[in-house]
Parts: sequence; C-alpha cells; structure tokens
Amino acid sequence: DAMVIQNPRYQVTQFGKPVTLSCSQTLNHNVMYWYQQKSSQAPKLLFHYYDKDFNNEADTPDNFQSRRPNTSFCFLDIRSPGLGDAAMYLCATSSTGGVADTQYFGPGTRLTVL
Amino acid sequence: GDSVTQMEGPVTLSEEAFLTINCTYTATGYPSLFWYVQYPGEGLQLLLKATKADDKGSNKGFEATYRKETTSFHLEKGSVQVSDSAVYFCALSDQGNTGKLIFGQGTTLQVKP
Repeated sequence: DAMVIQNPRYQVTQFGKPVTLSCSQTLNHNVMYWYQQKSSQAPKLLFHYYDKDFNNEADTPDNFQSRRPNTSFCFLDIRSPGLGDAAMYLCATSSTGGVADTQYFGPGTRLTVL
Repeated sequence: GDSVTQMEGPVTLSEEAFLTINCTYTATGYPSLFWYVQYPGEGLQLLLKATKADDKGSNKGFEATYRKETTSFHLEKGSVQVSDSAVYFCALSDQGNTGKLIFGQGTTLQVKP
C-alpha cells in the first residue's frame, strides 16, 4: 500500500540535544508538509516543500529546519530542543498542493524532551 | 486571516445516537473544507471533504455539507458506534496557500456501549 512512514514513532531527547525526525512516502507526491501538534491542540504547519522549494511559515522558530534530499524523504531537524518543543510531529503529503487536494498523514513521531 | 472554529468537546454519546459536530469558518477566498479523524496514538485520516458551495462530502456514514451562506461545514452521523470514538478536526485549505491546512481545535467524541 502507498503510504507515509515516519520514524521513529517515539523519540526521547535531552534539552538542547539536536534531534532529527524522518518521513518517507511511497505516493510520489510533490508536496511534503511538517506539522507540530501539541497536546490537545490542533496541528500547526511548520513548513512545507513543493518539490525542492522550501516554504517556511512566518512564525516557525529558527530552531526548526528541514531537508528534502529527494522526492521520497523529508527530515525535520530540531537544533536545540526546548521543553516547549515536546509534541507530536506529523508529516503529510499531497499530490499538487492544490486547494482541493487531500493531504495524507503519517502516524506521527511523539517527541519527549527531558 | 483564515480560521476554523469547532464546537468544544468532549462529546459523549450512547451507541446508535445521532451525532452533530459544528464547524464554522472564516476565509478570504473560496476554500475547500475537510473533516479529518484522529484515533488514539495515530496520525490524521481524511474522513470527507467538499470543494465548493453546496457540495456534500460523505464517508462511512458521516456527512457534511458546505454551506457558504452560513460559512459552516457541520459533521453528522445518524447512528454512532463505539469504534467512532476519536478526535475530529475540521479544516480548510484556501487558495494561494499551497494546500496549507488550517485546523479547528478538534472535538473529542466518546461513544459508550
């Protein structure tokens, strides 16, 4: 089945220790998104790639970076995690990024910061 | 800016009860509207969508109609099951935003046997 895969499902890191979350997709979609979802809140878009073009949301902290080395993979790097960065991180893809396009979500990575 | 407002939860129902979860939106353009469902410990799954006014989205017994005049997209199901227990998110995607989804705050549904 075509899908969006996130690894790891659970990640524990220490305050200030860099961490990388991984997302891969077999859908061959052009657009990949990273959302942050804090406990009992709505997902909030951090950034997205349209093919190789990176688009950062205006309020995404500089602490968050992303890489997309090829169509299938996208990484979220948190350079110096703080306690406030503990959240579920959701990766999503869509075919064209059009207004009517469906986004397909991975299962998420739950990040704990100690 | 664009926004989505959902009724607050949790909503607790008995099995086979009728479900309504209210959702209203504010948008500058002509958005598409979505309902996503999130089961415990999982990511979001598309439940249904509607891309223009008066469209009705439906899936697994759930329905929602895109009402431009009332800027609403209420979710309904005639008879809920225990397996419908989850968090439901209403969302919109507006023109010119490369598919960015703006979500409501989510409504938790608990269905008791």
